[in-house]
Amino acid sequence: GQQVMQIPQYQHVQEGEDFTTYCNSSTTLSNIQWYKQRPGGHPVFLIQLVKSGEVKKQKRLTFQFGEAKKNSSLHITATQTTDVGTYFCAGNPGANNLFFGTGTRLTVIP
Amino acid sequence: GAGVSQSPRYKVAKRGQDVALRCDPISGHVSLFWYQQALGQGPEFLTYFQNEAQLDKSGLPSDRFFAERPEGSVSTLKIQRTQQEDSAVYLCASSSGTAGTDTQYFGPGTRLTVL
Repeated sequence: GQQVMQIPQYQHVQEGEDFTTYCNSSTTLSNIQWYKQRPGGHPVFLIQLVKSGEVKKQKRLTFQFGEAKKNSSLHITATQTTDVGTYFCAGNPGANNLFFGTGTRLTVIP
Repeated sequence: GAGVSQSPRYKVAKRGQDVALRCDPISGHVSLFWYQQALGQGPEFLTYFQNEAQLDKSGLPSDRFFAERPEGSVSTLKIQRTQQEDSAVYLCASSSGTAGTDTQYFGPGTRLTVL
């Protein structure tokens, strides 16, 4: 069945350091979405990637979609304490529902 | 309303009780999704509605779980004879279209604890 794995599961960084989370799907995806969930909160949509090899930037965040459309990454430059939370990738194999990854919990130490 | 709302926000049930969780999607949104999120895990898909039609219920873990959206707006997720393994946050999401590429907007969730 469909599986979406993320690494690392946890990441602690000093404020100002960079952070990267990687997402890998067992099957080819139609598109991939990234969400951020603050502690005690709900997933909030960040971005969607559709094209093979696509790269998108949002201020300090850079998102990539692999050439084979089976993997993706999120890179945060110069982390801030406001970046704290769990980052989920969510793959769409072509149906309506999303398959969420296992998430990477980011802690930023001031 | 401005966003997806869910009620109650917290629910404690004794094992064996029935519970009903409500979702109010963003007005006009065609698609509605239910997800189950266990502690420390990502949301897992339960079921999908397009207007009032339940097009996919492949994620419902057992026949104790039942969802409806009779008028194509508000949805209710019902769990009968709750078990301890049902303890989780139940998230509702809605989107304006019917494509898998449409952005899903999540509600705050209902945290269900089964004792």
